[in-house]
Amino acid sequence: AQSVSQHNHHVILSEAASLELGCNYSYGGTVNLFWYVQYPGQHLQLLLKYFSGDPLVKGIKGFEAEFIKSKFSFNLRKPSVQWSDTAEYFCAVGSYGQNFVFGPGTRLSVLP
Amino acid sequence: GAVVSQHPSWVICKSGTSVKIECRSLDFQATTMFWYRQFPKQSLMLMATSNEGSKATYEQGVEKDKFLINHASLTLSTLTVTSAHPEDSSFYICSALPGTGWHEQFFGPGTRLTVL
Repeated sequence: AQSVSQHNHHVILSEAASLELGCNYSYGGTVNLFWYVQYPGQHLQLLLKYFSGDPLVKGIKGFEAEFIKSKFSFNLRKPSVQWSDTAEYFCAVGSYGQNFVFGPGTRLSVLP
Repeated sequence: GAVVSQHPSWVICKSGTSVKIECRSLDFQATTMFWYRQFPKQSLMLMATSNEGSKATYEQGVEKDKFLINHASLTLSTLTVTSAHPEDSSFYICSALPGTGWHEQFFGPGTRLTVL
């Protein structure tokens, strides 16, 4: 069975700081990788996804993620965070024939 | 495209009553729909997988008699929480898969259930 881990439970940054949220998964087959964001009181929104091709994926709102197959990782990055990025971030892994699995989430708090 | 709606967006009910939550794919046909549960400040946990015209597949630990799922058409799945109790209070989220070969699920906005 697949599992997804996220390195940090809660990250606190000041505005303009750089962000990297770690995500690792355990599954040896072909995977599709996703990052979702959930702003306070709102529903899940897709930030970016990786299916195949260029392992560096660019998403919305200045986010990007890099798929490193050898490390089973799909870390999310943003060069300069804003207060409005305060939210919960979920990494998720899906593969054909397997259920979608979410990581436990990382809460990001950006201080103005 | 690929919009999923849920109704209601929030519901408050008394303990012992049943609550039905609808999940609709608005602009595509969904052969498979998923129901998730999210407790406050926690991740989404898959409850069940619903395939149109067949019985739902429940995850381990999820009571099928308590959480009734019906996927009656290619655009509608319903989750009924029967004899709800305060511990069933949670955020319920559905997602839909457009068809075989698709790898991306599209999520609904969620339904917040509060059982008094």
